[in-house]
Amino acid sequence: GEDVEQSLFLSVREGDSSVINCTYTDSSSTYLYWYKQEPGAGLQLLTYIFSNMDMKQDQRLTVLLNKKDKHLSLRIADTQTGDSAIYFCAESIKGNTGKLIFGQGTTLQVKP
Amino acid sequence: KAGVTQTPRYLIKTRGQQVTLSCSPISGHRSVSWYQQTPGQGLQFLFEYFSETQRNKGNFPGRFSGRQFSNSRSEMNVSTLELGDSALYLCASSRKALAGGGQDTQYFGPGTRLTVL
Repeated sequence: GEDVEQSLFLSVREGDSSVINCTYTDSSSTYLYWYKQEPGAGLQLLTYIFSNMDMKQDQRLTVLLNKKDKHLSLRIADTQTGDSAIYFCAESIKGNTGKLIFGQGTTLQVKP
Repeated sequence: KAGVTQTPRYLIKTRGQQVTLSCSPISGHRSVSWYQQTPGQGLQFLFEYFSETQRNKGNFPGRFSGRQFSNSRSEMNVSTLELGDSALYLCASSRKALAGGGQDTQYFGPGTRLTVL
């Protein structure tokens, strides 16, 4: 079935690393995405990873994918107060055109 | 390049009315998907249009409908509004939304906040 799960809340200190986790159930996932949503705004794409990859790095962001366990994580290095937002993981599924399945979102709170 | 634009940004309606929301995709993008975001249900897929055809549909009642024009702009319509339709409605555009599941990133607009009283 289609299900994406995330922990709901994470609090870190400025300058620390943040790790946001996500699990999904559909083995037909093709691509997995991370989006960021700030209050009153739409979704901003942060990064994505193909389901056959293990890792992708993009500046302060590192995505790790464990396909066997269907586990995805987003690591933000040197977290800043501007990183405070809700982070969504999402999957696209082969044959399911134009549809992303989202997790519930993880609220990241960065304390100065 | 301009991003995805949605109009209006905010809307207040009463129960029983109908509403039309508009979405202009990024230039060159031909696929438009719509999502409903609520605190209780999160982000849920409504439907996707490509070349003026609906190619995929989520699990919403028939009161929710949409269309796409030849310039790829899309509208969604909700008839007979209910209190539970209060939500942020997001549209996203992508270049082609390959049916085979190829990578095709969706870029989101700022959303239309609909309040039903």
